[in-house]
Amino acid sequence: QQQVKQSPQSLIVQKGGISIINCAYENTAFDYFPWYQQFPGKGPALLIAIRPDVSEKKEGRFTISFNKSAKQFSLHIMDSQPGDSATYFCADPTGNQFYFGTGTSLTVIP
Amino acid sequence: NAGVTQTPKFQVLKTGQSMTLQCAQDMNHEYMSWYRQDPGMGLRLIHYSVGAGITDQGEVPNGYNVSRSTTEDFPLRLLSAAPSQTSVYFCASSWTLNQPQHFGDGTRLSIL
Repeated sequence: QQQVKQSPQSLIVQKGGISIINCAYENTAFDYFPWYQQFPGKGPALLIAIRPDVSEKKEGRFTISFNKSAKQFSLHIMDSQPGDSATYFCADPTGNQFYFGTGTSLTVIP
Repeated sequence: NAGVTQTPKFQVLKTGQSMTLQCAQDMNHEYMSWYRQDPGMGLRLIHYSVGAGITDQGEVPNGYNVSRSTTEDFPLRLLSAAPSQTSVYFCASSWTLNQPQHFGDGTRLSIL
C-alpha cells in the first residue's frame, strides 16, 4: 500500500528555471515532512524538512510548501543548476516507519 | 566521523546462498533501518530497530532477518537468496523517527 504518491517521475529543466516536485500523502502522523536528495552511487541525504506549525519553509534556493487540507506538500527549486541534477524523494514518517515516495529524477540542462 | 558504514559495497550471490550485509554507525543513534531501492519503486523499508534488542518488520520483510545486539550495529541477513532480492540496500540511522536519517552509501547485490 503506497503511503506517499510522488510526481513527476522525471523532470527536465533548463538552467535558471524552476523545478517543482509534488507529494500527496494518505495517512500521516502529520509531524515532520522531509525531502531527500540522492546522487548516483550515494545514499540519500536530507535536503530540507518542514514541521506542521508552518505552511512554508525556505532554505536558499529550496522551498517546501505544505497544504494540509489537500494532503500535499511540494518542493520548489528556484534558479535550478546542473549540480541539482539528482533524484529527489519525499517521505512521511508515520508510526515507527518511514514511507518514501517513488522518487523524481531531475535533470538540469546547462 | 564515519557516519553510517555499509559493507560490502558490491556482492554477487547464487540463488539459495545466504549472506549478511553489515551496517555500523558511530553517532549513538537509537533508530536504525534497512531499505531496498529498486527502479521506479523508491525506497522500501525492510526492517527497523528503535534500540538495542528491539526490531520490527517494515513493508517488505520476507526473506530477511535482522538483529540489534548493540546500538552501533544492525546487520541484515538474507536467509536463502532469490533473484527477486537483487537490489541496492541502504542502511540508515537517526536519533528518532522524526529526525534526519543518515544513510550509508549502499550495498549493490546481484543474485544469479
